[in-house]
Amino acid sequence: GDSVTQMEGPVTLSEEAFLTINCTYTATGYPSLFWYVQYPGEGLQLLLKATKADDKGSNKGFEATYRKETTSFHLEKGSVQVSDSAVYFCAQTTSGTYKYIFGTGTRLKVLA
Amino acid sequence: DVKVTQSSRYLVKRTGEKVFLECVQDMDHENMFWYRQDPGLGLRLIYFSYDVKMKEKGDIPEGYSVSREKKERFSLILESASTNQTSMYLCASSHHRGLMNTEAFFGQGTRLTVV
Repeated sequence: GDSVTQMEGPVTLSEEAFLTINCTYTATGYPSLFWYVQYPGEGLQLLLKATKADDKGSNKGFEATYRKETTSFHLEKGSVQVSDSAVYFCAQTTSGTYKYIFGTGTRLKVLA
Repeated sequence: DVKVTQSSRYLVKRTGEKVFLECVQDMDHENMFWYRQDPGLGLRLIYFSYDVKMKEKGDIPEGYSVSREKKERFSLILESASTNQTSMYLCASSHHRGLMNTEAFFGQGTRLTVV
């Protein structure tokens, strides 16, 4: 079945370090892909999205490229800040279904 | 700004009580969802609805029911609350365009404690 796999956390980085959070997917159709962020005690907020192969989603310095050949959608940021500390979820939805499939989340902690 | 609003941020209920969690969206979305989130288990889908009065079971529907009488409102009902239903509950909504969902928008979450 369709699935999303993302790297286990927690990820701990110093401020201004480079961030990569890996995400791979399996899908029977052609999915749209998303990254969501969850701050403590809050719901999920959409961070970025990509709807077709080779699309690059970007927002607030975060980027992810939809790679069909490697079935990946890795999240990157060139220089993290303490305020980026949160849990990040990779997700997909596929044509013909109402559902979303989420990864288990990766906790990021950025130290000053 | 798009908005999904859950009626409570925090709730404490007693075992055996009937509990209602309410969710309202102002985006005229067709789809609405209820998830629960537990440490180490990620988000698990309880129920979803793709139209008024329509509902489908998700992955963990046992012990829950839902109601969607109006397009903008989706209620989650715990018929007889139990301590294993203590969790963070997240409501979401999305638009269905053609055969594909757009991105989902989430409410702020309701942290329910059953004592």
